[in-house]
Amino acid sequence: TQLLEQSPQFLSIQEGENLTVYCNSSSVFSSLQWYRQEPGEGPVLLVTVVTGGEVKKLKRLTFQFGDARKDSSLHITAAQPGDTGLYLCAGARGFGTGNQFYFGTGTSLTVIP
Amino acid sequence: DTGVSQDPRHKITKRGQNVTFRCDPISEHNRLYWYRQTLGQGPEFLTYFQNEAQLEKSRLLSDRFSAERPKGSFSTLEIQRTEQGDSAMYLCASSLRLTTEAFFGQGTRLTVV
Repeated sequence: TQLLEQSPQFLSIQEGENLTVYCNSSSVFSSLQWYRQEPGEGPVLLVTVVTGGEVKKLKRLTFQFGDARKDSSLHITAAQPGDTGLYLCAGARGFGTGNQFYFGTGTSLTVIP
Repeated sequence: DTGVSQDPRHKITKRGQNVTFRCDPISEHNRLYWYRQTLGQGPEFLTYFQNEAQLEKSRLLSDRFSAERPKGSFSTLEIQRTEQGDSAMYLCASSLRLTTEAFFGQGTRLTVV
């Protein structure tokens, strides 16, 4: 059973378009991370959100943590080909007490020039 | 220290052979995690160490899998009598004790033929 569900699973858009990726769960998480992964490489951490309702911006990327800390979203403005990759959300359930990180199913993004 | 490093990056082995992977975490990180990832999926948790103690193991970790972290530094993951179903990317991550962010290595791609 997957604790975190991501949608959409695949996304192909034109350069310059906006997009939103969702990460949903019925469980509460103490924090949630977003990673970007390229083929054959390990996931690279983009951001961590820890407070319900928190919004963080990283250049053209905006991350939001749901008020109830059960869901998160990643919004990309004016997508560029360099944004292509697999986007993963991962949640930690324990409050820093050693629990594993649960990963979402992933969203594969392709930005067409 | 530039991050988590894994060795080898790629391994091709014949079915039935044993393989061992190594992970060197970020030096001040107490926690070390092993994950497995198949194509197009999010990483699945295998096991985690706090210092030298292995505190959690997934049911995915069959008796053919063993992991160690002697002296709480580097870790090894051994797979005995490999099967074709073991083909995957094996990812190592580390984090500080009281933080919730995990940083990943580049992974070891295992192909069992």
